Amino acid sequence: GAVVSQHPSWVICKSGTSVKIECRSLDFQATTMFWYRQFPKQSLMLMATSNEGSKATYEQGVEKDKFLINHASLTLSTLTVTSAHPEDSSFYICSGVAGGNTQYFGPGTRLTVL
Amino acid sequence: AQTVTQSQPEMSVQEAETVTLSCTYDTSESDYYLFWYKQPPSRQMILVIRQEAYKQQNATENRFSVNFQKAAKSFSLKISDSQLGDAAMYFCASPNFGNEKLTFGTGTRLTIIP
Repeated sequence: GAVVSQHPSWVICKSGTSVKIECRSLDFQATTMFWYRQFPKQSLMLMATSNEGSKATYEQGVEKDKFLINHASLTLSTLTVTSAHPEDSSFYICSGVAGGNTQYFGPGTRLTVL
Repeated sequence: AQTVTQSQPEMSVQEAETVTLSCTYDTSESDYYLFWYKQPPSRQMILVIRQEAYKQQNATENRFSVNFQKAAKSFSLKISDSQLGDAAMYFCASPNFGNEKLTFGTGTRLTIIP
């Protein structure tokens, strides 16, 4: 299967700072990538769709100014959590779309905001 | 809204036995893919199996197979010869409004009893 990496795997930051999470497709080109948030013992919640070369599309209720997404190349999408607060602490997962509309997921990033 | 229902929050099975996880979905699309993903304690989402809706033959991947009933919009996952490594959360996913987005079910936690 296709491989997606995510970096960092775990980050702790102070309230008010910004954090950038990188998502890379290692062996395929991903025109479309997705960003999800997952709370403990819950399913994945889609935050936004990241399209190479165009603006991201955000799901209802997701603040686009807080969660900045950039899809600069066919293999890299980044999510920046700006002015992070404790309520932003969560597990963030990205995915890249390969053939057959199949999403392959990164290993996730655990964000803790103090 | 597209919905995916997994009615079994938890299941358990004896090692080497067979277990079936159920999933129903609601879509207005005529041609689409359906997916089962597993999320072990590492939280890495792993593609288990994919079914193309226009194919009548049920998909099979080694010990994993599906029972796809298109008219009933049912997509169950059968795990044969269960192994300890199969212990995980299993999520069923169906397409969301014909694009590459997925709607995920709430998950079924599978426990393997040695």
